[in-house]
Amino acid sequence: QVQLQESGPGLVKPSETLSLTCTVSGYSISSGYFWGWIRQPPGKGLEWIGNIYHSGSTYYNPSLKSRVTISVDTSKNQFSLKLSSVTAADTAVYYCARGGQQMGVWGKGTTVTVSS
Amino acid sequence: EIVMTQSPVTLSVSPGERATLSCRASQSVSSDLAWYQQKPGQAPRLLIYDASTRATGFPARFSGSGSGTEFTLTISSLQSEDFAVYYCQQYNNWPRTFGQGTKVEIK
Repeated sequence: QVQLQESGPGLVKPSETLSLTCTVSGYSISSGYFWGWIRQPPGKGLEWIGNIYHSGSTYYNPSLKSRVTISVDTSKNQFSLKLSSVTAADTAVYYCARGGQQMGVWGKGTTVTVSS
Repeated sequence: EIVMTQSPVTLSVSPGERATLSCRASQSVSSDLAWYQQKPGQAPRLLIYDASTRATGFPARFSGSGSGTEFTLTISSLQSEDFAVYYCQQYNNWPRTFGQGTKVEIK
């Protein structure tokens, strides 16, 4: 079955760039679907960050758009998130997911803390 | 952007009772609405999509209804494993937006 796994540093310093990768198994990214990132600050709700289509088309949350880049590497069956100029407000659990409409498959999430 | 508002914030229900959760959109999203269930320490799990289609693995006691701006998730007879936080999400427009969640807790 399709599985997604987030990976990346758990601690990022303020003003630096957060970089995460989602590795997909059981399905080829190049076969279709949107792929996306969602985050959840501690004790709070879900915030959609953005989506990328397998062809590379992207959609971003306007509140984050100036700082976000989502890219796809079909050769590695991975997609990635970069969030620049991070602050403590970017501390959250970051999830990757399959789907640009309903999100039917999720990774388990990875906690990223922004702190010096 | 479309704002999704869920009510109530917390719902206290006894096992075996019915739970009714509401989700309202600031403008019509047609039937482009999903519900997710999230348990502590776990990723959200797709429960309902297209407003009323139950996702794989969820029993028939879960049902979704509504269209346009008003949506309802009903759990007909709460079981212990149903106590969780439920989120609605619209996918009619970009950016995708979630409601703030309803926590269903044991009364």
